[in-house]
Amino acid sequence: LAKTTQPISMDSYEGQEVNITCSHNNIATNDYITWYQQFPSQGPRFIIQGYKTKVTNEVASLFIPADRKSSTLSLPRVSLSDTAVYYCLVGGLKTGANNLFFGTGTRLTVIP
Amino acid sequence: EAQVTQNPRYLITVTGKKLTVTCSQNMNHEYMSWYRQDPGLGLRQIYYSMNVEVTDKGDVPEGYKVSRKEKRNFPLILESPSPNQTSLYFCASFSGNTEAFFGQGTRLTVV
Repeated sequence: LAKTTQPISMDSYEGQEVNITCSHNNIATNDYITWYQQFPSQGPRFIIQGYKTKVTNEVASLFIPADRKSSTLSLPRVSLSDTAVYYCLVGGLKTGANNLFFGTGTRLTVIP
Repeated sequence: EAQVTQNPRYLITVTGKKLTVTCSQNMNHEYMSWYRQDPGLGLRQIYYSMNVEVTDKGDVPEGYKVSRKEKRNFPLILESPSPNQTSLYFCASFSGNTEAFFGQGTRLTVV
């Protein structure tokens, strides 16, 4: 079971790039890496998912090194509305990884 | 529209009075899960279900029950609620590649 470790909190100024790293040393061969964003009193929502190397979509990039023991979520030019908690989730239902742990997440605060 | 619907959104109850929080999804997902969220503790998994009639414990199952009689519904049951179950609860439904869809949350207060 791939449990994850993330920094508890981060601060950034508006307009800067933010990188949040997640460690997952016990990742299994067929596990995906998925990142979520959560605003207060709302459920987490999907941001991006990857398996290896780099994935980019309209809101973020996800960097995964060759050993896949960590991943980095990159948010370009953050704004105040990016203030939220970010979770990485590692697992794969197809591999029988039944417990899907979200962990404590990283609280990002964007400063004007 | 793909969605997960939880009810109620807010609930105040007294210790020992049985309650049920409902969860329903319209995406035909097999995997569903309940989480509770407390300050500083992130999302902790209570129970999950891999399919109809298949349920298993998560990290914090004590004091909770679930059932999965049909694929779309996954209710969370508190037979005898206690104040330490005061929390924000989320139901989630997962696609095959672990993309999760969450309900709106249920804020439960047990007095």
